[in-house]
Amino acid sequence: QQQVKQSPQSLIVQKGGISIINCAYENTAFDYFPWYQQFPGKGPALLIAIRPDVSEKKEGRFTISFNKSAKQFSLHIMDSQPGDSATYFCAASWTDKLIFGTGTRLQVFP
Amino acid sequence: KAGVTQTPRYLIKTRGQQVTLSCSPISGHRSVSWYQQTPGQGLQFLFEYFSETQRNKGNFPGRFSGRQFSNSRSEMNVSTLELGDSALYLCASSLRRLPQYFGPGTRLLVL
Repeated sequence: QQQVKQSPQSLIVQKGGISIINCAYENTAFDYFPWYQQFPGKGPALLIAIRPDVSEKKEGRFTISFNKSAKQFSLHIMDSQPGDSATYFCAASWTDKLIFGTGTRLQVFP
Repeated sequence: KAGVTQTPRYLIKTRGQQVTLSCSPISGHRSVSWYQQTPGQGLQFLFEYFSETQRNKGNFPGRFSGRQFSNSRSEMNVSTLELGDSALYLCASSLRRLPQYFGPGTRLLVL
């Protein structure tokens, strides 16, 4: 019930395309859903986050879509660029700890 | 503002030894959380400190401990190291609870 399931494990997208990563959760107590981006040798960097009272949040080329009834949320990266090539983690939080998904390795080819 | 800093960045230890890792949060942040990242288990929560008190704890053995000082800096200690403790240890800070901002991590290798 504490898990966050993330898919796909890896994703290959052409430059300019849309990258979509999905996550699902079970615990309805989760009340904060962030996405992190991690480059090799670096710590995760907060990209964008959403709370369950909002169905969509957009920041630049990054959009979170949130479906509370389905207990699913997704990250859309519009106009994907080679510089977006990284590992992306979804997470969910209740109390003060983050429960992370297993990560998606995104590769954007020119 | 300067980000979260962690020292050392890399560490090599042998089984049975103990290790202490340090984390300095973003200025003004009072909450510090620790996570372990491994290829097999992913990112797992260790514990969280706020105003020198442990507020939350993950499912790790008692060999993993931490503390927070009055200036919000935090240390994490692992005693009697095992090979499986090899990982990237990440510290994250936040003003009160969320969002959490991560440091670059300390890569620990246990031989």
